[in-house]
Amino acid sequence: EPEVTQTPSHQVTQMGQEVILRCVPISNHLYFYWYRQILGQKVEFLVSFYNNEISEKSEIFDDQFSVERPDGSNFTLKIRSTKLEDSAMYFCASVRRVAEAQETQYFGPGTRLLVL
Amino acid sequence: SQQGEEDPQALSIQEGENATMNCSYKTSINNLQWYRQNSGRGLVHLILIRSNEREKHSGRLRVTLDTSKKSSSLLITASRAADTASYFCATPTGGGNKLTFGTGTQLKVEL
Repeated sequence: EPEVTQTPSHQVTQMGQEVILRCVPISNHLYFYWYRQILGQKVEFLVSFYNNEISEKSEIFDDQFSVERPDGSNFTLKIRSTKLEDSAMYFCASVRRVAEAQETQYFGPGTRLLVL
Repeated sequence: SQQGEEDPQALSIQEGENATMNCSYKTSINNLQWYRQNSGRGLVHLILIRSNEREKHSGRLRVTLDTSKKSSSLLITASRAADTASYFCATPTGGGNKLTFGTGTQLKVEL
C-alpha cells in the first residue's frame, strides 16, 4: 500500500540553524500539508500546498518557514533559523484531491525535531 | 470549546472491554475523521464518516456521527493491549481542507 515517507526520523539542531525536513507524498496525490505537534499538545496545521504554491497557511507559518516541491516527488519544509519553541514532531500529509472534501489525508511517520 | 474536543481525556480499561471516545465540534462539516497515534509515533487514519452518514463500521471500530449535536463517537469493541494509543478526531476546514484536530483521548488497555 502506498505511504507517505519522511526523513529524517529525528533531527537535533542548534538554535539559529537552518533545518530542512523532507517528505515524499503518495505519488498520485495533489495536495500536501505540513502539521506539527508540540509534545503533549494537539496536532496543528502549518501549511497546505497545491499546484506548486501555498494554498493556505496558519499563523504559526511565519517568515522563518518555507515549503518547496523541488522535483515533483519531494516536498520540503525549511525552517531558516530555528528557535527552541520549534521543537516538535512535524508531520507531512497528502491527499489525492480536495473536491467534495471526502478524501482521507494520509500522514507520514513524522520527523522529531529538537532544537537545543 | 474548540473545534474537535474529545472526551474523556484519558481512559483506562481492561482487555476485552469496550472503549468509547467522544468528539464534539463547532462548525458544519463535510466529514469527520478519526486517527490513532501510538506514543511518539505517526498518525494512522482509522475511519472517515461523511456528514450524511450516521454510523460506520470497520473491523472492531464503530463510529457514529450526530450532526444535530455536532458530535461523534468512536467505539472500540473487545479491546486489546495493542489498542493502547491516543485517538484524535479531525475535521477538514477551509478550501484546502486542512484538518483541525481535537485534543485527543489517551486510551490505556491493561492486561
